[in-house]
Amino acid sequence: SQQGEEDPQALSIQEGENATMNCSYKTSINNLQWYRQNSGRGLVHLILIRSNEREKHSGRLRVTLDTSKKSSSLLITASRAADTASYFCATDGETSGSRLTFGEGTQLTVNP
Amino acid sequence: DGGITQSPKYLFRKEGQNVTLSCEQNLNHDAMYWYRQDPGQGLRLIYYSQIVNDFQKGDIAEGYSVSREKKESFPLTVTSAQKNPTAFYLCASSGSTFFSYEQYFGPGTRLTVT
Repeated sequence: SQQGEEDPQALSIQEGENATMNCSYKTSINNLQWYRQNSGRGLVHLILIRSNEREKHSGRLRVTLDTSKKSSSLLITASRAADTASYFCATDGETSGSRLTFGEGTQLTVNP
Repeated sequence: DGGITQSPKYLFRKEGQNVTLSCEQNLNHDAMYWYRQDPGQGLRLIYYSQIVNDFQKGDIAEGYSVSREKKESFPLTVTSAQKNPTAFYLCASSGSTFFSYEQYFGPGTRLTVT
């Protein structure tokens, strides 16, 4: 079964609002990553957070990781219409090496 | 221009035919991956390769085959044994074979089998 599961499946907000997406996973991990996918395109890496980190920032992105709850959240602040995309979390397992397991994604729509 | 290329962007085949999807990277990455994505869903790993002339099955390898004769290239063959081959196929690479660093993705190939 999928390691990561995103919540919500779909999110629709107005430009300027913040968007929060959540990811839960089942087994212990080394790292958790977030990716973005525009419709019909490949994925683009956004941010990686290690299992010993609790929070990480990159521009308008803020990622948190709670290993005790096996969950992560991605916050996009001051959203723009160009942020409209699907967002996926991806996890590794402690013994899986470089391979990742992707969740089913959150479809974010930012309305102008 | 460094990156991953996949060709073609769209591919149409008749049922019962094998088809090969191309994936090339010039990032000098050791690890390469093939994923399948169905509408509204996440990515599922088909095959991955951590070094030339070696590859491992992912979660849904049945009906697919791969080769890794060159570091830059990791072609995927969708065989007639794959029961439901119509999907969006994504190739990716990463610089590490041991740790989950970021993966770089190609633009994808949309395969339609009728």
